[in-house]
Amino acid sequence: GESVGLHLPTLSVQEGDNSIINCAYSNSASDYFIWYKQESGKGPQFIIDIRSNMDKRQGQRVTVLLNKTVKHLSLQIAATQPGDSAVYFCAERGGDTDKLIFGTGTRLQVFP
Amino acid sequence: KAGVTQTPRYLIKTRGQQVTLSCSPISGHRSVSWYQQTPGQGLQFLFEYFSETQRNKGNFPGRFSGRQFSNSRSEMNVSTLELGDSALYLCASSSKGWANVLTFGAGSRLTVL
Repeated sequence: GESVGLHLPTLSVQEGDNSIINCAYSNSASDYFIWYKQESGKGPQFIIDIRSNMDKRQGQRVTVLLNKTVKHLSLQIAATQPGDSAVYFCAERGGDTDKLIFGTGTRLQVFP
Repeated sequence: KAGVTQTPRYLIKTRGQQVTLSCSPISGHRSVSWYQQTPGQGLQFLFEYFSETQRNKGNFPGRFSGRQFSNSRSEMNVSTLELGDSALYLCASSSKGWANVLTFGAGSRLTVL
């Protein structure tokens, strides 16, 4: 299978601060990108998505930025809360398929 | 409406055995895909089914197989289990179409002893 590495980077932030989680994607032909949140014992939960014809999309407390030039995706979480603590995955997809290529994941820890 | 349901949630098998995992997609979703999640390799695509046809397959050995039924429910099977098959197996469903959202189930955690 496609390798996504062994290490899970961790981001620790204080409650109320903004969080930025970064992701480098692999395929320049990918045209759709998604961020998922995974809590312990649960499956990945959809947060926000963005198409390749956009460079920014905002949701409730979350913003996704896409830089196709450097194949970089970021997730910004405003006013981070303890409930945001989880592992966050970016995923990319090319074309009409449900095959997603997932990034390594980043663990977000929120402390009071 | 009900989410993606996977059964069983936990199971323990021994090397050489086989296992069948089941997935019931969200009502109305006709596309089902499967992923394997391990600490070492992360989330990796296994296969994708739509209208009972396999549309895509990941880079896994032939011991991994799947199928989809006419009611969109899906099963995956792993034969001749190896220790390295221990993982969380996730099923996701979607309504298809460009930029549709995959909704994941809670997964089936397989431990191979």
